[in-house]
Amino acid sequence: GENVEQHPSTLSVQEGDSAVIKCTYSDSASNYFPWYKQELGKGPQLIIDIRSNVGEKKDQRIAVTLNKTAKHFSLHITETQPEDSAVYFCAASMHYGGSQGNLIFGKGTKLSVKP
Amino acid sequence: SAVISQKPSRDICQRGTSLTIQCQVDSQVTMMFWYRQQPGQSLTLIATANQGSEATYESGFVIDKFPISRPNLTFSTLTVSNMSPEDSSIYLCSVEGGVPTGGRKTDTQYFGPGTRLTVL
Repeated sequence: GENVEQHPSTLSVQEGDSAVIKCTYSDSASNYFPWYKQELGKGPQLIIDIRSNVGEKKDQRIAVTLNKTAKHFSLHITETQPEDSAVYFCAASMHYGGSQGNLIFGKGTKLSVKP
Repeated sequence: SAVISQKPSRDICQRGTSLTIQCQVDSQVTMMFWYRQQPGQSLTLIATANQGSEATYESGFVIDKFPISRPNLTFSTLTVSNMSPEDSSIYLCSVEGGVPTGGRKTDTQYFGPGTRLTVL
């Protein structure tokens, strides 16, 4: 089955710097890759997603890139702010029958943005 | 995005007892899922809650331990039965599909706030 690895497990950056989190997946049939942000005491919040027919997607300070050949995808956060501090999870799934199906999650990256 | 609520938000329970967690969505959805997140860990899918039929469980999870109901397109329950301290986790429901409301995309999963369960 699918396996998703996420690195680093912790990341500390200075406010205004960029942060990059990387994930690799094992199943070449996976075609949907969302990123979630989880703040302390809350459920995961979808922040951006990408499908396998796209190589890059951007939403303001957040971007995701996908390399299907290498089976890895990355989250880029520019101009980080203290409110970006949270745990970030990547996930992968295979879209079928109108559903994203079983999301397989990475182990998470705890991002700390120091003022 | 969709408004997804869970009850209770947290509970402390004695071993051997059962707890039923409710998940309510503000609009009809096609799919509802239940995940477990052990302390400081990632999310693991327990089962897919199917409306009008038995839930589909992932490997390692069984109906006797985690019975699930889904009586309609906006509501589901997960019961954690005969609890032990190892069941202490955050239990999350997620939804997908259905009627797009509040800017929610229909082709991805949105999560509820979670239920924090501690078993003594």
